[in-house]
Amino acid sequence: AQSVAQPEDQVNVAEGNPLTVKCTYSVSGNPYLFWYVQYPNRGLQFLLKYITGDNLVKGSYGFEAEFNKSQTSFHLKKPSALVSDSALYFCAVRDGDRGSTLGRLYFGRGTQLTVWP
Amino acid sequence: DAGVIQSPRHEVTEMGQEVTLRCKPISGHDYLFWYRQTMMRGLELLIYFNNNVPIDDSGMPEDRFSAKMPNASFSTLKIQPSEPRDSAVYFCASSGRLAGGSLNNEQFFGPGTRLTVL
Repeated sequence: AQSVAQPEDQVNVAEGNPLTVKCTYSVSGNPYLFWYVQYPNRGLQFLLKYITGDNLVKGSYGFEAEFNKSQTSFHLKKPSALVSDSALYFCAVRDGDRGSTLGRLYFGRGTQLTVWP
Repeated sequence: DAGVIQSPRHEVTEMGQEVTLRCKPISGHDYLFWYRQTMMRGLELLIYFNNNVPIDDSGMPEDRFSAKMPNASFSTLKIQPSEPRDSAVYFCASSGRLAGGSLNNEQFFGPGTRLTVL
């Protein structure tokens, strides 16, 4: 079965410093990996995805994620954090079965990122 | 497109009452998902549909919960009778296909319905 783990409930970083939000995955078959962000009182928003190709994926708002097959990780990164990046971040993996179940995503529990001024 | 539309945005009801949440997916999307989010349990998938057909409802908590998708542009999630532990934010999301017909797993979430059961 597909699953993702976000080992940190919270990440705190100072503005201007690099940030990393961690995610590890377990899949059968090729991994299709995603990051979503949720701002307060809003629904989740897509940030970026890895399907195939370059291990470094670039997404919205200056975020990027690095796919590492040997470590089964897909960590979210940003070189310089902004206070406005403070939000809840979710890692997700696509269902690996065939047919209609391919549309499903399995989400992690989320990591609350706080960037202080 | 206006995105995924959910109504109502807020619902306060008393225990035992019936609650109906509504969702209009993005036009052309063939997947629709219902999620529930609480502090304790995080984000939970309740049920999802493909081409209006329920694919997996194993996340539905119990028989008090039911969901329907009578056509491609409308879905409901009903709770009858409601209980205080149902208090949560309920999200609807939809996803569709890329130009070539392959799946686009990017899900578009609605703003959510905040349900409070007293």
